[in-house]
Amino acid sequence: NAGVTQTPKFRVLKTGQSMTLLCAQDMNHEYMYWYRQDPGMGLRLIHYSVGEGTTAKGEVPDGYNVSRLKKQNFLLGLESAAPSQTSVYFCASSTSSNQPQHFGDGTRLSIL
Amino acid sequence: QQQVKQSPQSLIVQKGGIPIINCAYENTAFDYFPWYQQFPGKGPALLIAIRPDVSEKKEGRFTISFNKSAKQFSLHIMDSQPGDSATYFCAASRGRTSYDKVIFGPGTSLSVIP
Repeated sequence: NAGVTQTPKFRVLKTGQSMTLLCAQDMNHEYMYWYRQDPGMGLRLIHYSVGEGTTAKGEVPDGYNVSRLKKQNFLLGLESAAPSQTSVYFCASSTSSNQPQHFGDGTRLSIL
Repeated sequence: QQQVKQSPQSLIVQKGGIPIINCAYENTAFDYFPWYQQFPGKGPALLIAIRPDVSEKKEGRFTISFNKSAKQFSLHIMDSQPGDSATYFCAASRGRTSYDKVIFGPGTSLSVIP
């Protein structure tokens, strides 16, 4: 049972480049989340989805876009990367908002 | 009203000690209070969770104490071990609507020294 899988694990980008982070879960969860984690800032919610075809903004959505075309996948896009987006990105999934979240092991993204 | 406060920011204890991490919330509509444990290079993982109908929950060496009137909850780690060294996040959420979110505390870095 793979749980939540994030791709890629590491990436270095130049300012202005674009990329997509992929999250896949095999637990048939309705809810999926994208967080960023920065030193001393804890986990900050970027965007989330409450079901296939839905997305909603979190705490820090600017500069990111998401899509949930299939229930098992949640994509996070950076259209024009900025150094301020250097962070560790975590994807999570759950059955509902007040049930445990299952996290992937993160994508470490550096933007030069 | 959506904030979850967590203290201390960091904690160092000797092996066998009992570290205590405290959290406070404001929104009385929250009905689920999980704690997550995160090791370096890994994603957070659920450690233990409590709902407001009970005042204490114990799982192995980990105990959550919940004070509904004070809007506070805490994590106690009995007989702490070096392997417990990690970052701990408290969180709070409610399930009233589909778009309710989980609110995380800023985290506590725990070091257990031999």
